[in-house]
Amino acid sequence: GAGVSQSPRYKVTKRGQDVALRCDPISGHVSLYWYRQALGQGPEFLTYFNYEAQQDKSGLPNDRFSAERPEGSISTLTIQRTEQRDSAMYRCASSISVMNTEAFFGQGTRLTVV
Amino acid sequence: AQTVTQSQPEMSVQEAETVTLSCTYDTSENNYYLFWYKQPPSRQMILVIRQEAYKQQNATENRFSVNFQKAAKSFSLKISDSQLGDTAMYFCAFMKHAGGNNDMRFGAGTRLTVKP
Repeated sequence: GAGVSQSPRYKVTKRGQDVALRCDPISGHVSLYWYRQALGQGPEFLTYFNYEAQQDKSGLPNDRFSAERPEGSISTLTIQRTEQRDSAMYRCASSISVMNTEAFFGQGTRLTVV
Repeated sequence: AQTVTQSQPEMSVQEAETVTLSCTYDTSENNYYLFWYKQPPSRQMILVIRQEAYKQQNATENRFSVNFQKAAKSFSLKISDSQLGDTAMYFCAFMKHAGGNNDMRFGAGTRLTVKP
């Protein structure tokens, strides 16, 4: 696609429900990153992939958070048993290769847990 | 783990003047990249400028330039001839680059307001 696409743009969910956030990177981009951004703060690293391999998941806050990228393209970030503190903007970014450092960001998914 | 510190939560500048945003980082890596991203009210993330650690020459992009001091682990952004459209959050970011393990970490941001 022309840019990094994230869906849904907005998600309101009840506490305790599971949510799945989708990221469709720029076509052919190898690296894919997930970040969480609270209002007025910088993006907080969650995890990233090169192709389908999850290289680093040290930023995932706890075991309710998981991510996958099974075919090396679209990625899904899943949050189980959501809590109010999970409310934030979730951002995805991709870069064309492992050696190319410019990351292009999607518009983000704003998650609100009520 | 790498940390990125932006010590100025907010700054303001008069239109057409120059402003410098500061950023320091902590790392034991020798090969890495540094970035400044701009986030306007639309909340997009826009790459402003990038610096490779192995390059001594400071990066410049039109009105934007950096002062990269590797020994001091400092990476400040200078915006010359500030424009109203420069009003945004600015984030400094660090990316280590070792064997394809290139994760990127951000500072907390500086909110810049350009006043007419």
